Amino acid sequence: ETGVTQTPRHLVMGMTNKKSLKCEQHLGHNAMYWYKQSAKKPLELMFVYSLEERVENNSVPSRFSPECPNSSHLFLHLHTLQPEDSALYLCASSPSRTVYGYTFGSGTRLTVV
Amino acid sequence: AQSVTQLGSHVSVSEGALVLLRCNYSSSVPPYLFWYVQYPNQGLQLLLKYTTGATLVKGINGFEAEFKKSETSFHLTKPSAHMSDAAEYFCAVSGFSNTGNQFYFGTGTSLTVIP
Repeated sequence: ETGVTQTPRHLVMGMTNKKSLKCEQHLGHNAMYWYKQSAKKPLELMFVYSLEERVENNSVPSRFSPECPNSSHLFLHLHTLQPEDSALYLCASSPSRTVYGYTFGSGTRLTVV
Repeated sequence: AQSVTQLGSHVSVSEGALVLLRCNYSSSVPPYLFWYVQYPNQGLQLLLKYTTGATLVKGINGFEAEFKKSETSFHLTKPSAHMSDAAEYFCAVSGFSNTGNQFYFGTGTSLTVIP
């Protein structure tokens, strides 16, 4: 148990579906992150939330929509995805944006068909 | 700007042999450097980190890394490989954006341990 829980662990969805990824942490951290991990590519930072406010959006397509209802939960809403969006999506948290102590979840393996 | 280069996407060692995973970084400011390990179907786990102070950093599972500013390197080593060390290893350097700190990860090195 890493302290950051992601559900579901695996997800297969069609290009016309709408689904959501969930991330939950009870570490008392104030910053949460979404990363995309594709084969043979560096981890890509997608979104950053600090104190429930989105502070960074790295040119991510609008078919990905994050939501942070409170400091313990982070969602990634997905709609009309493309096959190239298939990847491992990792959630991470840290005490704050200025403290180095990332804790990663186990990820959601997404396959778009 | 910050970036990380990991030399060798695949490394194979025999059980009991030395493990050496290479990482070179580029940073316009004094870097903070990290090594993470990822086991199959798992997230990333912090192995060790360098922020300031002693340049030889010891981490979990017998791993260590040395920060060499002159070589802009932060190579990861372990004297004797164990089967359980087989995993993906990521080097990362910290950087600053206008919204705070950010990690820049390398592409990873897959370590295979041969019995």
